Amino acid sequence: EAGVVQSPRYKIIEKKQPVAFWCNPISGHNTLYWYLQNLGQGPELLIRYENEEAVDDSQLPKDRFSAERLKGVDSTLKIQPAELGDSAVYLCASSREGSYNEQFFGPGTRLTVL
Amino acid sequence: GNSVTQMEGPVTLSEEAFLTINCTYTATGYPSLFWYVQYPGEGLQLLLKATKADDKGSNKGFEATYRKETTSFHLEKGSVQVSDSAVYFCAALNTGFQKLVFGTGTRLLVSP
Repeated sequence: EAGVVQSPRYKIIEKKQPVAFWCNPISGHNTLYWYLQNLGQGPELLIRYENEEAVDDSQLPKDRFSAERLKGVDSTLKIQPAELGDSAVYLCASSREGSYNEQFFGPGTRLTVL
Repeated sequence: GNSVTQMEGPVTLSEEAFLTINCTYTATGYPSLFWYVQYPGEGLQLLLKATKADDKGSNKGFEATYRKETTSFHLEKGSVQVSDSAVYFCAALNTGFQKLVFGTGTRLLVSP
């Protein structure tokens, strides 16, 4: 069974440019999470989806960040415009419905904003 | 909300040494507790978990016991290997909010 797939693995952009990250969860996993991991820190939840509904986006900076999961499978996280402080690793995770204690993580996308 | 505190790293050990990585938590109620491991260039992998007081999680020679009285979930391994070199994250899940809260991570370096 394939794990959580993320792309790209690495992205380098200049500040004020837009950027998007893509995540494909494990098949059958209805719950999808986006986490932000700053250097030397643990991951912090940005948003959680149950199917196509964002049920917890309280930590998502909505002035520049947006996310979507239109068909309840793949998800995209976007930043527009990017700032220097957005340099971090963006992790996607998924779990079966209701199984919040069994989250499977993707390899992450490392973003560098110059 | 929950918070998790881990000992700072790096922890540097020789192969076959005993490992302890401390983790304490603050939470309302009784969270589930986890240890995740992150190998270089890879995503986080669940190492072990415990869902109630006095539970012991174990996997790959690693163990951690849920201690409600000390609000701790320390990770231990009796004999580390070079391949255990990674970053270890302690985490707590408050089932009321379905939110996983991580500590800052502890880097383990094992030398031959």
